[in-house]
Amino acid sequence: EIVMTQSPATLSVSPGERATLSCRASQSVSSNLAWYQQKPGQAPRLLIYGASTRATGIPARFSGSGSGTEFTLTISSLQSEDFAVYYCQQYNNWPLYTFGQGTKLEIK
Amino acid sequence: QVQLVESGGGVVQPGRSLRLSCAASGFTFSSYGMHWVRQAPGKGLEWVAVIWYDGSNKYYADSVKGRFTISRDNSKNTLYLQMNSLRAEDTAVYYCARDATIFGVVPGAFDIWGQGTMVTVSS
Repeated sequence: EIVMTQSPATLSVSPGERATLSCRASQSVSSNLAWYQQKPGQAPRLLIYGASTRATGIPARFSGSGSGTEFTLTISSLQSEDFAVYYCQQYNNWPLYTFGQGTKLEIK
Repeated sequence: QVQLVESGGGVVQPGRSLRLSCAASGFTFSSYGMHWVRQAPGKGLEWVAVIWYDGSNKYYADSVKGRFTISRDNSKNTLYLQMNSLRAEDTAVYYCARDATIFGVVPGAFDIWGQGTMVTVSS
């Protein structure tokens, strides 16, 4: 099983600032990495797939990078609606899938 | 619009069974693989099962293998999850999600999610 480890567990950032979230895979997942956003009481929403491609309708302030075992989600200028929990997911070990434990992005 | 709507959750005693449904609309259901993902209260996301677009292949997380069965009825645009021998640790919100890749020709992320249905296993 590929283990996905996200850091930090909680990130406190002020609105308008940049947020950088990390995700590490226990073995290479190539670029088969997705990021999801989840707000309280809501379903997850796909933000990024293929490590760096924004999903339909996702604002340009969200960007993803990395390949292999190290990945980053960057939110360039935080808006109030961006404070949520973010999960990474590998789908390289298909058809078995694993998520990271999540990073909670909170208002500083 | 593209939509997934889960139903069938509720409170059930340990050892009993429950069947979840996921009704799809707004897209060609029979062209996409489908997943179940669950989230225990206050916890992260756990992938549960996947079924190929035509139902020909099914895969499960080790935690549910032998107890849960994923199936689909493409004529009814509906996905199912039959859950048997339920345990307290199966308590979670269960989401259905669409695989992003048509016909599953390459690995894909999960691009459409339902709102979830809560399953509580308790005596």
